[in-house]
Amino acid sequence: EVQLVQSGAEVKKPGATVKISCKVSGYTFTDYYMHWVQQAPGKGLEWMGLVDPEDGETIYAEKFQGRVTITADTSTDTAYMELSSLRSEDTAVYYCATRKVVDYYFDYWGQGTLVTVSS
Amino acid sequence: QSALTQPASVSGSPGQSITISCTGTSSDVGGYNYVSWYQQHPGKAPKLMIYDVSKRPSGVSNRFSGSKSGNTASLTISGLQAEDEADYYCSSYTSSSTWVFGGGTKLTVL
Repeated sequence: EVQLVQSGAEVKKPGATVKISCKVSGYTFTDYYMHWVQQAPGKGLEWMGLVDPEDGETIYAEKFQGRVTITADTSTDTAYMELSSLRSEDTAVYYCATRKVVDYYFDYWGQGTLVTVSS
Repeated sequence: QSALTQPASVSGSPGQSITISCTGTSSDVGGYNYVSWYQQHPGKAPKLMIYDVSKRPSGVSNRFSGSKSGNTASLTISGLQAEDEADYYCSSYTSSSTWVFGGGTKLTVL
């Protein structure tokens, strides 16, 4: 059974950095790209970026370029999303989601991690 | 990359059919057959319902179907059931090798 288990909720102050993890099981980590998606309270889904666990190559959405870093650790089958210079607008649930290397859709999702940015 | 355009809300009675549209550009929806649709219930993670415009993953009811014409994709749900009440999002691969989501549509089953 494929499982993506994300780290717990975080509370951060404006200007801080948050790093969320997504541990996978049930499939070969390097066979899937890992994507991250943001969902602000009451708002829609927004694609943030992806990492290829095979070689660490990343692609980021223009909106988050320069503030987001997505990495993958093949020794622990865990992906990470780090967002810096946090502001109140970054308060959101963040999801990790997988996509097979040859496909163009997200078939498995983590449970989501709530990040609250507040002074 | 601008979000794909979806209606904010749609509604229908049990047993009826509804269609949700998703409009993009030739750089995303119109340029690739890589549109997917996700269902999200409150407080839950999104669930894949349709991929590659019209394909259904194993386990998804055949009441859900997808199509595309030009820059607009559509999700149709037939034989509406109470459990279909949720938010629905379309997504497309883009010419920038990125992905874009629609703004989401709230489906109400009357």
